Amino acid sequence: QKEVEQDPGPLSVPEGAIVSLNCTYSNSAFQYFMWYRQYSRKGPELLMYTYSSGNKEDGRFTAQVDKSSKYISLFIRDSQPSDSATYLCAMTDSNYQLIWGAGTKLIIKP
Amino acid sequence: NAGVMQNPRHLVRRRGQEARLRCSPMKGHSHVYWYRQLPEEGLKFMVYLQKENIIDESGMPKERFSAEFPKEGPSILRIQQVVRGDSAAYFCASSPPATSPGTQYFGPGTRLTVL
Repeated sequence: QKEVEQDPGPLSVPEGAIVSLNCTYSNSAFQYFMWYRQYSRKGPELLMYTYSSGNKEDGRFTAQVDKSSKYISLFIRDSQPSDSATYLCAMTDSNYQLIWGAGTKLIIKP
Repeated sequence: NAGVMQNPRHLVRRRGQEARLRCSPMKGHSHVYWYRQLPEEGLKFMVYLQKENIIDESGMPKERFSAEFPKEGPSILRIQQVVRGDSAAYFCASSPPATSPGTQYFGPGTRLTVL
């Protein structure tokens, strides 16, 4: 079993819809949770960073962490075609090494 | 402020040749990480370096792969005697000292193709 599970998709939704992306994990020592966005043939870029359970909002993006269920989510409101990309979750304990999900490919249809 | 720079962006090698990938971190960043990504897969950690030190190379294959981050100049990932299975995208990331774990800034990657 992988330490971090993420559905690879693709997930296809119409423009304007709310998108929900999820990851589950098995290591209860994970403390820091990240969402990265990766456009085709580009490097990942950090979107959201959370430490504790609860919600964190940044513009159209909301990151949610539920440590008791070992489950994290990223919500995108008012989705745009420019949001089409692969979204990678990543997490770490108190050290530096990131453990990555496989990424979910998101397609926003105009 | 320039981002993380990687070169070359594309590299083609024949089996048995050496591949040398370069990474210049963001200004002020002293921590460098190398990752490998296969198509439709997530990132696999390879090595974590600080200036002149390898901090963690637990993700590096035991043979043919090496990495360095000298006092001056870019970080280098070297793959000797490449094989077809080495074909992948190799990403470098950097972070400043004393940063929150996981906040890494990525370069555009080097796509290695082994013929």
